[in-house]
Amino acid sequence: IAGITQAPTSQILAAGRRMTLRCTQDMRHNAMYWYRQDLGLGLRLIHYSNTAGTTGKGEVPDGYSVSRANTDDFPLTLASAVPSQTSVYFCASSDGVAGGPDTQYFGPGTRLTVL
Amino acid sequence: GQNIDQPTEMTATEGAIVQINCTYQTSGFNGLFWYQQHAGEAPTFLSYNVLDGLEEKGRFSSFLSRSKGYSYLLLKELQMKDSASYLCAVKDSNYQLIWGAGTKLIIKP
Repeated sequence: IAGITQAPTSQILAAGRRMTLRCTQDMRHNAMYWYRQDLGLGLRLIHYSNTAGTTGKGEVPDGYSVSRANTDDFPLTLASAVPSQTSVYFCASSDGVAGGPDTQYFGPGTRLTVL
Repeated sequence: GQNIDQPTEMTATEGAIVQINCTYQTSGFNGLFWYQQHAGEAPTFLSYNVLDGLEEKGRFSSFLSRSKGYSYLLLKELQMKDSASYLCAVKDSNYQLIWGAGTKLIIKP
């Protein structure tokens, strides 16, 4: 069982280019999340999805879009990358069951540099 | 606003005990999580508290006081591999996780 995979592992991107970060989970979790992690700051939620076919905005959604066509995949797209989007991006998933801890499990991350 | 506070960095000696504190002010409370994150790696789940009191799991314990907006993570018999960042996160009234910036723990031999 792989858990959650992310691709690419790292990427250097020219400003203005379009980029899609991929995330796939095999745990049949209902909920999925995209975070960015910057030095000195806590993880910040970009977008989330409580179940396939639905998405929601997190704390820092501007410049990013997501889709959730099926349970397993949750890609994050940067339509026109800017240097302030240089960060480490983590995808996470949880079972989404109400009444329980709904613990989030993280993928290995994508290190993105926008020049 | 919502806020999670934890020390930026702590240093401890191998074999000793260390307590990492976390205070929070959030809109609602639906549980508190501790994660461990080694440099360059993903956060991994350590513990979950939703009721007041102490939860023990091997060398790690986590305590919660909801009335004080306070939690701590206690690490016993420290090992070099415990050198990592420890992240405190609170699930708010919208069931979203609010994250602290993390405490970098340095273990010295």
